[in-house]
Amino acid sequence: GQNIDQPTEMTATEGAIVQINCTYQTSGFNGLFWYQQHAGEAPTFLSYNVLDGLEEKGRFSSFLSRSKGYSYLLLKELQMKDSASYLCAVRATGGFKTIFGAGTRLFVKA
Amino acid sequence: SQTIHQWPATLVQPVGSPLSLECTVEGTSNPNLYWYRQAAGRGLQLLFYSVGIGQISSEVPQNLSASRPQDRQFILSSKKLLLSDSGFYLCAWVGQNREAFFGQGTRLTVV
Repeated sequence: GQNIDQPTEMTATEGAIVQINCTYQTSGFNGLFWYQQHAGEAPTFLSYNVLDGLEEKGRFSSFLSRSKGYSYLLLKELQMKDSASYLCAVRATGGFKTIFGAGTRLFVKA
Repeated sequence: SQTIHQWPATLVQPVGSPLSLECTVEGTSNPNLYWYRQAAGRGLQLLFYSVGIGQISSEVPQNLSASRPQDRQFILSSKKLLLSDSGFYLCAWVGQNREAFFGQGTRLTVV
């Protein structure tokens, strides 16, 4: 079967650092993605990992361990506008399907 | 640059009525196109994907169908809507690095 797990909700303080975890079990692996989705809007692409390690892009970093089926998204210097849902998604090998997790709702408080 | 258009943005339809949602992509050729549905507070459920004209793969047996009459056009349809068809429908195409780019979404409420 295919399964992606991530926490339902998290709360963090403005200016702080937050780590959103994602574990996955999929039939093959061809990349892991993180998307940001504000309420009522479509998701927007944040990051892509296909090899183990850390990918950094400004205030956002994403880590992947393929052997553990694990990824995390790290958000630094949190801003109020970072309040959104963060979706972890995995692309299966050789196919065209990307499977999405249910998302983690992040609340940033002052 | 590539853009993806999806309409309408919101739709309220009675049970048993038909549905047609349209998605078009500009600035790319032969894109892989997808329809997803997102229920309130839930993740994205893949409904259909298409790798070319007339080629449709269905992921979940349901009350919906999809068609790709042109290279950059992807249509989601239903002959008779059910209450359970309510949700946020998203069209997407997959870019060069395999990331998905989404249309604005259609919020469908079946009443």
